[in-house]
Order: sequence, then C-alpha cells, then structure tokens
Amino acid sequence: AQKVTQAQTEISVVEKEDVTLDCVYETRDTTYYLFWYKQPPSGELVFLIRRNSFDEQNEISGRYSWNFQKSTSSFNFTITASQVVDSAVYFCALSEAGAGGTSYGKLTFGQGTILTVHP
Amino acid sequence: DAGITQSPRHKVTETGTPVTLRCHQTENHRYMYWYRQDPGHGLRLIHYSYGVKDTDKGEVSDGYSVSRSKTEDFLLTLESATSSQTSVYFCAISAGPTDTQYFGPGTRLTVL
Repeated sequence: AQKVTQAQTEISVVEKEDVTLDCVYETRDTTYYLFWYKQPPSGELVFLIRRNSFDEQNEISGRYSWNFQKSTSSFNFTITASQVVDSAVYFCALSEAGAGGTSYGKLTFGQGTILTVHP
Repeated sequence: DAGITQSPRHKVTETGTPVTLRCHQTENHRYMYWYRQDPGHGLRLIHYSYGVKDTDKGEVSDGYSVSRSKTEDFLLTLESATSSQTSVYFCAISAGPTDTQYFGPGTRLTVL
C-alpha cells in the first residue's frame, strides 16, 4: 500500500530564512506521481507541483524548489528567502498509476507540515 | 482556477440526521473525488468516481455513499450523521487518473 510521511509536524522560521519541508513516500509501483499542495489560512488547497517517477530532475519555480530522489524515496520542498505569505500547511501526496491505470488517481496524503514564517 | 464549487460551505447538523454535500464542476472532467480532512490525518479519500454512475470506495468510506448522475455533479451522502463525521470535506476533479487533482473550497460539517 502506498504511504506518505511528513515527519515535520510544525516548522517556525523568521522571514528570509530558507526552509526545507521533507516528504518520504512508499510505493510498490514503478510508475507513480508526486504532488505538493499548499493550504493557506483561508483553507483552500492550492496545487504547487506534480512530478512523475521517471523524471528526477530538480525543479525551481521562483523561490520554490523541489528535490526528487528515488534512491531515498524522497520529494523535498525548499522555500528560499521565506516570506510571511508562505505561512500555510503544506501537503505532499502520492498516486500510483497501477496496472493499466487502475489506480484511478487516488491520492494518498501526508499529514501535512504547518509552516509559520515570522516577520 | 478550476471551476469547482461545493455546497453548502458550512453546515451544522445533529446526530442521526441525513446530510448531502454537493460538488459541482464546470470543467467536464471525468474523475471526481471526495476527501475528508482531519487534524493529524491530512486528507483521506472517501469515495471517487471515474465516470457517470461509476463510483467506488476509498480508504474511509464507512458511513458514506455517493452518486453521480451527471458529469458535473458528485454528491456525498451521510445517511445518518455521527459526531465522528465532523470534518472538512473537499471535492477534487481531474481530467484523467494520472493528472493533477484540483480541489474545491471545502465544506465544514459539524455534527452535534
């Protein structure tokens, strides 16, 4: 069965610090997809990134970057020069492709990491 | 933003009463999902649909049923609400099983 672990329950930083959110996953599938979502205090879930298991290239988007390492089953998320607006709960999630796409895209989420950025 | 709405956005009900939550999309996506969010658990899948009248159970389906008679609507029903079903419920849609899921604004349900 698939599993996602976000070991950091809460992280507190001061503005402009860099912060890394950890995500470790378990799956038996060779084809799978990893996601990060942001949930700001307003409560909506905002999609940040999707990666497939065959693409291990790191990705950078502005102050956000993601490090995908299949060897350690990790998909970590780094915010550079954090800002107060980055304060949110961040979720890592996994879906397996399944044989013939039989997983139906069911997402398994980690428990989330609460990030607080202080001015 | 994906066109997803959920109704109601907030509801307070009493134990034993039936409750139906509605998810409506304007994207014509085939896949729709219901998740619940509880502290310490992240989001967990309740039920999902892969087409009109095609639905199946997720991880935490006990006490819930769903229906999808039209592409755009996915209903979640609590036949007899219990306090353990107090939660925030999110609907999500995706074009395909490997595509990104986009979430609705959520419904906060309180069962007294």
